[in-house]
Amino acid sequence: QKEVEQDPGPLSVPEGAIVSLNCTYSNSAFQYFMWYRQYSRKGPELLMYTYSSGNKEDGRFTAQVDKSSKYISLFIRDSQPSDSATYLCALQIYNQGGKLIFGQGTELSVKP
Amino acid sequence: DVKVTQSSRYLVKRTGEKVFLECVQDMDHENMFWYRQDPGLGLRLIYFSYDVKMKEKGDIPEGYSVSREKKERFSLILESASTNQTSMYLCASSGRETGETQYFGPGTRLLVL
Repeated sequence: QKEVEQDPGPLSVPEGAIVSLNCTYSNSAFQYFMWYRQYSRKGPELLMYTYSSGNKEDGRFTAQVDKSSKYISLFIRDSQPSDSATYLCALQIYNQGGKLIFGQGTELSVKP
Repeated sequence: DVKVTQSSRYLVKRTGEKVFLECVQDMDHENMFWYRQDPGLGLRLIYFSYDVKMKEKGDIPEGYSVSREKKERFSLILESASTNQTSMYLCASSGRETGETQYFGPGTRLLVL
């Protein structure tokens, strides 16, 4: 079993839809949770970062962490064609030299 | 703004060649990382370094080596390139503390023929 599981998609939605992207993990030692966005032929860039259970909101994006269920989500409201990208969850254990464990990435396409 | 640059965007090499991929960061970060990214497999850590001349194996170090002679520069070396090393290679850097964000370069798309 992989440490972090993410549905690879692809996921195709119409413009304006609410998008839900999810990851599950098996190791309860993970303490930091990040979402990266990667446009085609570019490197990933940090989108959201949280270290506690609950919700964190930034504009149209909400990151949700449920440590008891070992489940993290990224919600995108009012999705736009410019949101079309691959989204990667990344998890980190305290005191392991900054190593991140990535999910496989979900490819999202938002159609106008 | 953090900047991580990689020496090449696209590279074509022949089987058996020695390949050097270079990464430079300008934020005085202690940690640097090399990943490869393949469809369906996500990002897999090859090697990382938390200080000059220090290196640690990641999840898939076989067939690769690294060098970090200066803090800002981290090189990935394919000693004898093989076709199964055709991939997207991504470099990243971060500060020393746990929880620090990793900043990525644009990637090098390597094709080994």
